[in-house]
Amino acid sequence: DTGVSQDPRHKITKRGQNVTFRCDPISEHNRLYWYRQTLGQGPEFLTYFQNEAQLEKSRLLSDRFSAERPKGSFSTLEIQRTEQGDSAMYLCASSLGDGTDTQYFGPGTRLTVL
Amino acid sequence: AQKITQTQPGMFVQEKEAVTLDCTYDTSDPSYGLFWYKQPSSGEMIFLIYQGSYDQQNATEGRYSLNFQKARKSANLVISASQLGDSAMYFCAMREGRAYILTGGGNKLTFGTGTQLKVEL
Repeated sequence: DTGVSQDPRHKITKRGQNVTFRCDPISEHNRLYWYRQTLGQGPEFLTYFQNEAQLEKSRLLSDRFSAERPKGSFSTLEIQRTEQGDSAMYLCASSLGDGTDTQYFGPGTRLTVL
Repeated sequence: AQKITQTQPGMFVQEKEAVTLDCTYDTSDPSYGLFWYKQPSSGEMIFLIYQGSYDQQNATEGRYSLNFQKARKSANLVISASQLGDSAMYFCAMREGRAYILTGGGNKLTFGTGTQLKVEL
């Protein structure tokens, strides 16, 4: 399977703990995106990488959130001192940066903060 | 103002019938792209179809077609010959600006709230 992969698929944690999610994009895609989706809503943009450079961050991305893409391949999203409001599905997508720049999504990581 | 509006929280359609899912958008940028995604209960967002703001023809992909009415700022998804496997959440999304612009919104997607489609026998 050469699609976008995410790990873990599910994460349950206690409030105050740190969590880290990983995303592996489609291999030739140079753009990588993180979105957050809460129940009953569409995904909301969090941040975006062009190769290893983080070019845009949403105001939703508080200082407890940090994302990296160190070698321009996989990316990690870390949430420090988790809060119950962080409970959501975290979706990763990648794109080629071509004419349509269609984003292809991974299966998501569902985070539950107790 | 909402950039993407999907006014149908839920829709029912009988198997083999066609169904139209509504989407209206709001942007002042002359360059934009419109996307439809399907999200089954498993959670993965599956890309269905794309329409560029300068495209003269309505996009089609198999049983999916996009009814693009630029003056009305609508981009409705039409699914022909519905199948049970089409039951899912459907999201309309927009990218404002040209895809090759690296910053300033030329890449992120803005999504609507979705329409839950149920296909019945």
